Amino acid sequence: EPEVTQTPSHQVTQMGQEVILRCVPISNHLYFYWYRQILGQKVEFLVSFYNNEISEKSEIFDDQFSVERPDGSNFTLKIRSTKLEDSAMYFCASSAPDRRSGANVLTFGAGSRLTVL
Amino acid sequence: RKEVEQDPGPFNVPEGATVAFNCTYSNSASQSFFWYRQDCRKEPKLLMSVYSSGNEDGRFTAQLNRASQYISLLIRDSKLSDSATYLCVVRTGANNLFFGTGTRLTVIP
Repeated sequence: EPEVTQTPSHQVTQMGQEVILRCVPISNHLYFYWYRQILGQKVEFLVSFYNNEISEKSEIFDDQFSVERPDGSNFTLKIRSTKLEDSAMYFCASSAPDRRSGANVLTFGAGSRLTVL
Repeated sequence: RKEVEQDPGPFNVPEGATVAFNCTYSNSASQSFFWYRQDCRKEPKLLMSVYSSGNEDGRFTAQLNRASQYISLLIRDSKLSDSATYLCVVRTGANNLFFGTGTRLTVIP
């Protein structure tokens, strides 16, 4: 079964440092997403990406964050000047239309756990 | 007001029991509805999409009531492997999914 692959699985960084989280979406999917989940809280939408540009972003996705598709397979999330409250699990997802409804159904990667010290 | 609200549980049920989870959503323009399950410290995985006419997949039945903005999930004949957090998920807009906080289920031997 096709998978969304994320690296690293866990990253520990010092406050103020920059981190890059990497994702390889499922190859024939056209929409890509980043979500985050702070420990014990709900999954929160950050950004969606289609046709090499951001299609939608949440209030959380401010100037500290950026996304890029540097080549045909990778999709990255960059977090600049990390803060303690950025500690969370970051999930990448990609989507394809549901066969019955046509709605985009997301497949999530295993996540990258970010710990900011 | 929260976009998606769920009873957080926990629900502790014996093997073989039937259990039902409910979810309400606030935006009447919401277009697509899903149930995902999430195991501890793992990614959400799609359990089933929820269609307007209701749908069933084995032991799992999902219902949607657009008038009441209410979604349900019924699990029959619970298995130990059903223990997880069940996430009600609603799409409003082009791509943005709103997740509920999840309902934790523990199936007890």
